[in-house]
Amino acid sequence: EAGVAQSPRYKIIEKRQSVAFWCNPISGHATLYWYQQILGQGPKLLIQFQNNGVVDDSQLPKDRFSAERLKGVDSTLKIQPAKLEDSAVYLCASSRSGRPTTTGELFFGEGSRLTVL
Amino acid sequence: DQQVKQNSPSLSVQEGRISILNCDYTNSMFDYFLWYKKYPAEGPTFLISISSIKDKNEDGRFTVFLNKSAKHLSLHIVPSQPGDSAVYFCAASAAAGNKLTFGGGTRVLVKP
Repeated sequence: EAGVAQSPRYKIIEKRQSVAFWCNPISGHATLYWYQQILGQGPKLLIQFQNNGVVDDSQLPKDRFSAERLKGVDSTLKIQPAKLEDSAVYLCASSRSGRPTTTGELFFGEGSRLTVL
Repeated sequence: DQQVKQNSPSLSVQEGRISILNCDYTNSMFDYFLWYKKYPAEGPTFLISISSIKDKNEDGRFTVFLNKSAKHLSLHIVPSQPGDSAVYFCAASAAAGNKLTFGGGTRVLVKP
């Protein structure tokens, strides 16, 4: 079974530029998550999708971050304009159900490392 | 407001000895706790979990202990192996939702 795919793996941009990250979850997984992991910290949930609807985006900085999950499969996370503090690894995760916390059934991709100069 | 804290950023242990990782939480609504392991350049992978109705859960070399009154949990790895060298994250969720709140992680180095 293929895992969660993310691209690009690495991206370096200047501040105020824009960037987009792509995620393809495990086939059949209805729930998709985007996490931000700043160096030395644990992952922080940015947004959660159930199929193509948003379940939780309370920690998404909506003035500069946006995410979509068209057709309930792939997802794109965009940052525009980027700030220095956005330098982080952006992790995509997926689960079959909406309650992966009771089973640990939350599968992460390898992440996209963003450096903002 | 850090609801889940791992106060030891790093831990070094000799191969074959016990590794003990600690995690504290502040939100009394948390009722499920998980440990994730992360190797460099990879995403975190699930290791072990425990429900708040239990105080211990064991899976092979890994045991998680939960002390609800102290709002504290720990992960024991016995015996430690060089392949256990990784960053370990503690995470918690509340029954009202399924959002995971992660701690800052503890980097474990197992020396041969």
